Order: sequence, then C-alpha cells, then structure tokens
Amino acid sequence: SQTIHQWPATLVQPVGSPLSLECTVEGTSNPNLYWYRQAAGRGLQLLFYSVGIGQISSEVPQNLSASRPQDRQFILSSKKLLLSDSGFYLCAWSVGMGGITEAFFGQGTRLTVV
Amino acid sequence: SQQGEEDPQALSIQEGENATMNCSYKTSINNLQWYRQNSGRGLVHLILIRSNEREKHSGRLRVTLDTSKKSSSLLITASRAADTASYFCATPARDFQKLVFGTGTRLLVSP
Repeated sequence: SQTIHQWPATLVQPVGSPLSLECTVEGTSNPNLYWYRQAAGRGLQLLFYSVGIGQISSEVPQNLSASRPQDRQFILSSKKLLLSDSGFYLCAWSVGMGGITEAFFGQGTRLTVV
Repeated sequence: SQQGEEDPQALSIQEGENATMNCSYKTSINNLQWYRQNSGRGLVHLILIRSNEREKHSGRLRVTLDTSKKSSSLLITASRAADTASYFCATPARDFQKLVFGTGTRLLVSP
C-alpha cells in the first residue's frame, strides 16, 4: 500500500536560518507531488507541485523553493526564513495519470519562525 | 483566484443533529472532492462527485453538486463528537494536475 512520510512534525527556527522539509512517498511510481501551506484557521495554499523528477511548478512567488531529486522525494527549502514563513506545511501526492481524483496527505509540519 | 469558498466558516451542533456545509467554486470542473482535517493533522479524502452526478452517498455522508450554480453541499447525518474537524472542498485546476481547496468549515459536534 502507499504511504507518505513527512518530517519533522514540528520545527522552531530563527529568522534568517535555512529550512529543509522532506517528504517521501512509498508504494507508487511517478506520483504528482505537492507542497501546501496552511495559515492558522485558514484554507490551503498551493506552493509547489511536481509531475516528475526535476519538474517543479511554483504557484506563489516567495521565499521558498522546492526540489524533486528522486521520483518519490519532494523537498521544500529556504535559504533564509522570514517570520511570515510560519505555518503548517503539508506534503501530498496523487496518481500522475488521468487527472487528479484524490490527494493523499502527510501529517504536516508545524513551522514557527521566531 | 480559483479558490472555492465554504460556508459557514464555523458550525456548532449537538450529537445526533445533521451538519450541512456548502461550497462554491469559480470555474468549470470535472469533479469535486471533500476532505476532512482533524486539528493539526493532514487532510483525508472523504468523497468525490463527478460533474455528471447530482448526488452521492457514502455512509453518513451525502454530497450534492449543482454545476449550474457552481456549488456543492456536504451533509453529515446523525453527527457524532468524532466528526469534529474542518471540512474542505477541492476542485481540480484547469490542467487537472493539482487541487484548489476552499477555505473550509470548522465543525464542532458537542456530546
């Protein structure tokens, strides 16, 4: 069966420090991968998505970047965190063919920038 | 923005009552999905309704879709305290490769 792992679960980082959040998927090949951010009590904002290795689409220009070094690995990074980067980050995957009919989410990372 | 809107933003009911949440979206779709999020956790897919369907059931869930009004509703019947969560609708973007989520409804079911 397919599983998605996202870590760490919580993270407190100082302003100006780098960030690396990792997400891996098991049990499927060539998935579409997504990074969403959720502000407190709000909806989900799509940050990046990827339909294949090395293919990254950015939805919102900001202080973050994403990479997909392997088929089932998706990394969210920042060189220098801002206070506004605080939030709940969610990784998700979907089947890569035929249009998206279901997304599977990781458990999320609560990032607090201090 | 293609983002959908849910209403109400928050809903508080007693166990045993029904909960109805509504979702509006902006563009043509081929399906609409509902997700549930427990506090501080990831989202879980509940149900999908296709654009050629008007109503769909799954257990205590009933979803309707009105493509002419670009709206959907999620009904949870005989609610339980364990149904307490946030509920989001989501629609595929034009390229069908990503989902756009609504703003969510926070449901509180009191024992």
